[in-house]
Order: sequence, then structure tokens, then C-alpha cells
Amino acid sequence: NAGVTQTPKFQVLKTGQSMTLQCAQDMNHEYMSWYRQDPGMGLRLIHYSVGAGITDQGEVPNGYNVSRSTTEDFPLRLLSAAPSQTSVYFCASSYYSSRTEAFFGQGTRLTVV
Amino acid sequence: AQTVTQSQPEMSVQEAETVTLSCTYDTSESDYYLFWYKQPPSRQMILVIRQEAYKQQNATENRFSVNFQKAAKSFSLKISDSQLGDAAMYFCAYKMDSNYQLIWGAGTKLIIKP
Repeated sequence: NAGVTQTPKFQVLKTGQSMTLQCAQDMNHEYMSWYRQDPGMGLRLIHYSVGAGITDQGEVPNGYNVSRSTTEDFPLRLLSAAPSQTSVYFCASSYYSSRTEAFFGQGTRLTVV
Repeated sequence: AQTVTQSQPEMSVQEAETVTLSCTYDTSESDYYLFWYKQPPSRQMILVIRQEAYKQQNATENRFSVNFQKAAKSFSLKISDSQLGDAAMYFCAYKMDSNYQLIWGAGTKLIIKP
């Protein structure tokens, strides 16, 4: 199984550019989420989805957009990149159950210059 | 709001020795789940161990075990017989029973001295 596939692994953007981080899972998980990881701050939730067609905001949603047209895919769009969005981004998925672990993609290191 | 605190930004241990990483959390919920994740230099997040709050018995996975103190809201991770491959960032995370979001600590960097 591929698990959670996240692309790209690295990206450099100029301020004001837009881009989409791709995330796909093949485990039929209902719950998918996007986090950003900054030094000394752990992971912070950007957006999440509990199923196709359903998305909601997390702790730090500003500047990001998501959609969930299928169970498998959950792309994250940066609308107009800013240096403050320089971070490592993780996509995660899990069954819609509180006890189950989250499975993570390999992360995207994004630098905005 | 729920919070998770890891008070040790960095820990070091001699290979083959035992190390304990601390985690405390704040919640008013009675049912929840706690996790330890490992993040090696490859960036991949790997589940190490999980604990259900309703279970009094501490979880164990091979060389990894937890000391779960529900009243004190403490969830420490003990790594026995430390190996070079244990070097990584370790994150403590909390999940409510009624909500599927994970709340994360800031992480502890574990260094293994050969």
C-alpha cells in the first residue's frame, strides 16, 4: 500500500505566487487533515475534512484553501504565498474514530522568498 | 482549550541506557487518547505508542513504554536500551474521544550518544 502520498517534497515560491500541495491516500480513510510544522511549535492544524464534500477550518486556516471532492484526495492551496507561510506541511489521514492513529505523508518543505 | 506541554526541548542519553521524555496535558474531558510519535531526520511521522485514557494499564511496545498518570495529566515515554536509530524528534499528542483532531506538544529532540 502507498499509504499517504504527498507532493511535492520541496518547493520554493516567490511572494504572491499560488500553488497546490497534493495529498492522496489509498486506505479509504474518512478523516484527512493538513498541518504545518514550525520549529518549537509542534504541528498546528490548518484544515480538515471528515468526508468527501465536507471541510472545516483548524487552528491556522488563513491564507489556505482546501476541497475534498473524493475520499482519496485532499489538496491544500496557498492563495498568495507569504514569507510567514515558510514551513513544513504534512497531510494526514485516519479512520473516523478517536482511537485510531493518523498516517502521515512525508511532508513538504515550503520556502517563500 | 486542550493543551499539550513537552517541557524538554532536548534530551541526550548514552546508547543502551534508559531515557524518559515528559509530556503533560490539560483537559476537562474524561475520555481521550494519547499518542507518542517519532520524527526521524527523514521527516516521516511514525506512531510509537498509544494510550487510551480509560485503561489504567500502561501501554508497552517492545522497548517503549509509557507512564500514564491520569490524575496528574502526565504521559511520559520511557525508552529502554536506547539505540542509535532512536535519535529523532518525539511528539506527544492528545485526541478527545468526541473530536478527531490531534493536539500536539512542541516536541523533544532525542540525541543518542554512541
